[in-house]
Amino acid sequence: SQQGEEDPQALSIQEGENATMNCSYKTSINNLQWYRQNSGRGLVHLILIRSNEREKHSGRLRVTLDTSKKSSSLLITASRAADTASYFCATDAGSNYQLIWGAGTKLIIKP
Amino acid sequence: DGGITQSPKYLFRKEGQNVTLSCEQNLNHDAMYWYRQDPGQGLRLIYYSQIVNDFQKGDIAEGYSVSREKKESFPLTVTSAQKNPTAFYLCASRLAGSTDTQYFGPGTRLTLL
Repeated sequence: SQQGEEDPQALSIQEGENATMNCSYKTSINNLQWYRQNSGRGLVHLILIRSNEREKHSGRLRVTLDTSKKSSSLLITASRAADTASYFCATDAGSNYQLIWGAGTKLIIKP
Repeated sequence: DGGITQSPKYLFRKEGQNVTLSCEQNLNHDAMYWYRQDPGQGLRLIYYSQIVNDFQKGDIAEGYSVSREKKESFPLTVTSAQKNPTAFYLCASRLAGSTDTQYFGPGTRLTLL
């Protein structure tokens, strides 16, 4: 069952611009996580934000969480070609240690 | 891909054949997961295991089987009952009792010939 929905499905921007991706979910959560997947590879964890947090930073990444709207956003600042990947949000609703995944946003950074 | 290995990287299956995908982790994680990913899609949970000798079905378990005889190993068998097995298969692990991240292997791409 998928809980998270990412928006947009695909995003193409110029190198140096900022990229914003959004994730909406349906039920109460313990935390929300963002992962990156390079083409044909496994997923890499980027950042986790807990339900009692509103904003979190990690390098060029900024994640916000609005539990009243059941939504989160991932901002990548000063994008680089190496940021080209698919980005997934996953929610932890506390059910048997499972994460519920969205369908992802495909980000292309044009040089 | 942090302490989790999957093999083989590519696998081909003929009609009527069972194939087994390997997943090994040296992170001392209790929980392990198998996901299926179709092109342009998110991850769908096949099976998961929280402790040795115990596992539960995920959302799409039909046509698949698993075992968890050792903490570090969680092999997935794609049986002949799975009529559309072509996909990218990802194994992950997580520290049980933690609400933190999952660590992923590099994946196995399975193709039905």
